[in-house]
Amino acid sequence: AAGVIQSPRHLIKEKRETATLKCYPIPRHDTVYWYQQGPGQDPQFLISFYEKMQSDKGSIPDRFSAQQFSDYHSELNMSSLELGDSALYFCASSLGTGLFDEQYFGPGTRLTVT
Amino acid sequence: AQKITQTQPGMFVQEKEAVTLDCTYDTSDPSYGLFWYKQPSSGEMIFLIYQGSYDQQNATEGRYSLNFQKARKSANLVISASQLGDSAMYFCAMRRGTGGGADGLTFGKGTHLIIQP
Repeated sequence: AAGVIQSPRHLIKEKRETATLKCYPIPRHDTVYWYQQGPGQDPQFLISFYEKMQSDKGSIPDRFSAQQFSDYHSELNMSSLELGDSALYFCASSLGTGLFDEQYFGPGTRLTVT
Repeated sequence: AQKITQTQPGMFVQEKEAVTLDCTYDTSDPSYGLFWYKQPSSGEMIFLIYQGSYDQQNATEGRYSLNFQKARKSANLVISASQLGDSAMYFCAMRRGTGGGADGLTFGKGTHLIIQP
């Protein structure tokens, strides 16, 4: 079965640079979520989109922005990168926004800021 | 605000034994979903099982079962007949109940489970 695709899988950037992470949800899934997991930490919810509209917002820094496109893929844009942004970034998708709808996670993008 | 508490940072269990991973939660929402995810050392997040707040029966998925005690606000994961491949980080999570739609998950700190031969 098709899974969530994230690209790139690994990314190395320097401080103050920008980065763009991409997420391709499971076919027919209309909802995308972004999470950030720092080293040794639990995942933190950043933001979600349903039908190309922002739906819920968590602890996303102002330096980050995201959007969902007409083909339902999503991009997380990160500017003025800081060392503390080094983390594993997960995208998850679901079909619908029901409370009990399972979120399927992608393999993650490991961002290292030097 | 919702909160998930996992009080076992790490556990060592002998292969083939059953293991219970603790999870307690706090929420004021009448409707909520509870989820368990497995994260191996490779990093991916693997969905294991979920329990809805209105479900009368405990959820089961193969060797995984969820011991849901609503009055005590606990949702413990039980793994029967543990295997070496079960060694991983396990996260309990709750669906945020803001009612706005695609609510994100709130995770606990996780339990690092190590299965010993």
